[in-house]
Amino acid sequence: DAGVIQSPRHEVTEMGQEVTLRCKPISGHNSLFWYRQTMMRGLELLIYFNNNVPIDDSGMPEDRFSAKMPNASFSTLKIQPSEPRDSAVYFCASSLLTSGGAGDEQFFGPGTRLTVL
Amino acid sequence: KNQVEQSPQSLIILEGKNCTLQCNYTVSPFSNLRWYKQDTGRGPVSLTIMTFSENTKSNGRYTATLDADTKQSSLHITASQLSDSASYICVVRGGTGGFKTIFGAGTRLFVKA
Repeated sequence: DAGVIQSPRHEVTEMGQEVTLRCKPISGHNSLFWYRQTMMRGLELLIYFNNNVPIDDSGMPEDRFSAKMPNASFSTLKIQPSEPRDSAVYFCASSLLTSGGAGDEQFFGPGTRLTVL
Repeated sequence: KNQVEQSPQSLIILEGKNCTLQCNYTVSPFSNLRWYKQDTGRGPVSLTIMTFSENTKSNGRYTATLDADTKQSSLHITASQLSDSASYICVVRGGTGGFKTIFGAGTRLFVKA
């Protein structure tokens, strides 16, 4: 398996532009997570899906952020309009989430480094 | 409030030396605790997972301990190597109202030759 695939790996855009980040989870996994990581705040969970349904989006910073998972093999995180403070590394992770057992390891993608000028 | 706190924030050691990283949590109820290693420019990778009944678990030169009574965990690295330079993140799963995953801020380890 190729692992979690994210694209693009790097994105540089200007303030006000729309940014779309893409993620393909590991086949067979039932949960997908979007994280943002900065030096100041560390890893922050933005949203997670279970069986393609958004379960917890309390980490989404504001209405400018939206995420979709139209099917089990694809998800997008969109920022519109983007702002300089959105500059960060965005990680996507997937897992086979169980009811609380040990089999819930999250496998992370390589991340997308976003720079908003 | 469910929290995970790690110490120290950063650590510099010489190659070949041992070190111990700490993780304290207030998450309740507790499900499991993982240590992740994150190399620069890459996503985190799981090193170990510990459940309530486990006290010690090893993965090569990495040994994690868990004291569920005091809600503390440690990650001990033996005979450090340059490739151990990374961030180490403690992650606890648990909490009321459904299981949540709470990340610590991480410890940045630098191993010098």
